[in-house]
Amino acid sequence: QVQLQESGPGLVKPSETLSLTCTVSGGSIIAYYWSWIRQPPGKGLEWIGHIHYSGKSNYNPSLKSRVTMSVDTSKNQFSLKLSSVTAADTAVYYCARNNFWSGSSGYALDVWGQGTTVTVSS
Amino acid sequence: DIQMTQSPSSLSASVGDRVSLSCRASQNIGTSLSWYQQKPGKAPKLLIYTASRLQSGVPSRFSGSGSGTDFTLTITSLQPEDFAAYYCQQSYSAPAFGQGTRLEIK
Repeated sequence: QVQLQESGPGLVKPSETLSLTCTVSGGSIIAYYWSWIRQPPGKGLEWIGHIHYSGKSNYNPSLKSRVTMSVDTSKNQFSLKLSSVTAADTAVYYCARNNFWSGSSGYALDVWGQGTTVTVSS
Repeated sequence: DIQMTQSPSSLSASVGDRVSLSCRASQNIGTSLSWYQQKPGKAPKLLIYTASRLQSGVPSRFSGSGSGTDFTLTITSLQPEDFAAYYCQQSYSAPAFGQGTRLEIK
């Protein structure tokens, strides 16, 4: 079965760039969209954006100016970069798979990574 | 942007109870709505997609209904493992989550 694993630094300094990678195992990155979601401590879920294996992406308008996503099909990985971080970007960051079902509308996040905690602090 | 509003923000219930959680969209999203369960320290788990379709492996005591702007997640006969936070998410446009409902043991 498909599994996702986030990786990257757990501590980032203010004004620097947060970089995370999600590795897909047990399945191919091809033919799906892949999402990043975050959850600040004690708060709800926030969609950051998603990227297709072809490289087509869509970002949360509130974060769009700071977000870049990329995909590496040869490594079965996709990545997130968030620039100019502040303490407000401290959160657990999750990667997830967007799935579509025949005859269904929209999509749902059916496979999630375990999440990785990123703290923004000097 | 489409805003998602969940109610109540928290709910106390007992094992065996039937509960209904509400999610409202700020505009028509058809049935492009999913429900997730999240336990402390864990990633969210997909329960329902396309408003009413049960994800594989999810117990049948969970059900979803609604279309347009009003949606409901119903849990019949609450089990101890069901006490968690629940989130709705629309995928009609730029995806957005509701703020969540925390289901607590009475």
